Amino acid sequence: AQSVSQHNHHVILSEAASLELGCNYSYGGTVNLFWYVQYPGQHLQLLLKYFSGDPLVKGIKGFEAEFIKSKFSFNLRKPSVQWSDTAEYFCAVNEVDSNYQLIWGAGTKLIIKP
Amino acid sequence: DAGVTQSPTHLIKTRGQQVTLRCSPKSGHDTVSWYQQALGQGPQFIFQYYEEEERQRGNFPDRFSGHQFPNYSSELNVNALLLGDSALYLCASSGTRNTGELFFGEGSRLTVL
Repeated sequence: AQSVSQHNHHVILSEAASLELGCNYSYGGTVNLFWYVQYPGQHLQLLLKYFSGDPLVKGIKGFEAEFIKSKFSFNLRKPSVQWSDTAEYFCAVNEVDSNYQLIWGAGTKLIIKP
Repeated sequence: DAGVTQSPTHLIKTRGQQVTLRCSPKSGHDTVSWYQQALGQGPQFIFQYYEEEERQRGNFPDRFSGHQFPNYSSELNVNALLLGDSALYLCASSGTRNTGELFFGEGSRLTVL
């Protein structure tokens, strides 16, 4: 069965620190890849997405992610985090043209200390 | 622009009861997906509705059923509730083309006692 693994369940950083959240998936076919974010008290929203083309994708609020096909990875990065980045981050995968569901990781809770 | 709206936001039921959750998709969207999110986990796909038909179903028992109406709104019904059904139920809407890009509501939190 397909699965998505997020390596860290909780991450605590200080403001201005660099961030990298890991995501690996198990499906070997063509995929769409997503990072969603849930800020405290808000609904899930799309942070960034990869469909095809340049494997380095940029999202909102200075986030970026790199798709490495050979490693089945789609890690999320931000050079300098802010207190407002405190949230839960989810990686999700969708099989292109054969499946309508998203497979989700368990999420990473990120806390930024001011 | 109206986003995805879900009702009720919170509800408490007892084992064996039945529950109906409702969802109105984002304006312009015709596809509705339902997900179950247990505490500390990522969402799990229940099913997706398109053109009033269940287009795909996840690994959930038949106690979970749904419906989509001509105005694209949707209901999720769960019969014979179990304690393990306690979770946040998320509705997500999307356009016709299956890109996996979803717009979520705030969810309905179900507690089964």
